[in-house]
Amino acid sequence: DTEVTQTPKHLVMGMTNKKSLKCEQHMGHRAMYWYKQKAKKPPELMFVYSYEKLSINESVPSRFSPECPNSSLLNLHLHALQPEDSALYLCASSQMRTDPTSIAKNIQYFGAGTRLSVL
Amino acid sequence: SQQGEEDPQALSIQEGENATMNCSYKTSINNLQWYRQNSGRGLVHLILIRSNEREKHSGRLRVTLDTSKKSSSLLITASRAADTASYFCATDGNSGTYKYIFGTGTRLKVLA
Repeated sequence: DTEVTQTPKHLVMGMTNKKSLKCEQHMGHRAMYWYKQKAKKPPELMFVYSYEKLSINESVPSRFSPECPNSSLLNLHLHALQPEDSALYLCASSQMRTDPTSIAKNIQYFGAGTRLSVL
Repeated sequence: SQQGEEDPQALSIQEGENATMNCSYKTSINNLQWYRQNSGRGLVHLILIRSNEREKHSGRLRVTLDTSKKSSSLLITASRAADTASYFCATDGNSGTYKYIFGTGTRLKVLA
């Protein structure tokens, strides 16, 4: 099973709402990522979790709050978002990389994304 | 910005033709990867080339890497309509972290 599952596929929320995006993988990967992607732009890294601990936060505003409750799940909690936060949010996972030249351990597996619209 | 640059930004070719897209990056790397993204979907890994490799093949894909020029190219031979997608290079920046930087992407359209 090489699948990363993201829910919901689409989300519309108001600026005062609280919502959560969910990501799940069962490949035994211990590195998990959140990316934000605007139309016709590359994915931009937001957060990285390794062994369920936050290891990278790319100076993301606090209205985005990640959570990794266990090794298979990754959540992104959203609160008081702005219209410019509308984007495709992608989750990815990979093996832990003890050797940076290792092929398999550098490959990221992506979910299909959540299309978020903030009104 | 550490972001890589890709060119062309968009490419339109006929089915059966070859497609070449280029990626330039700014820092030293351990490896460089290419990913494909169908419209509005997640990214799919295509191929990885290590910093000590110069060329790699996988099916109809050929990737080259020139670390002296900090550049890579992806060649898709005998293109098919199903190859229509955006293609991104991604580098690890030799940082030892799990941070990958994606290039700006090339939008490929293959006309049947």
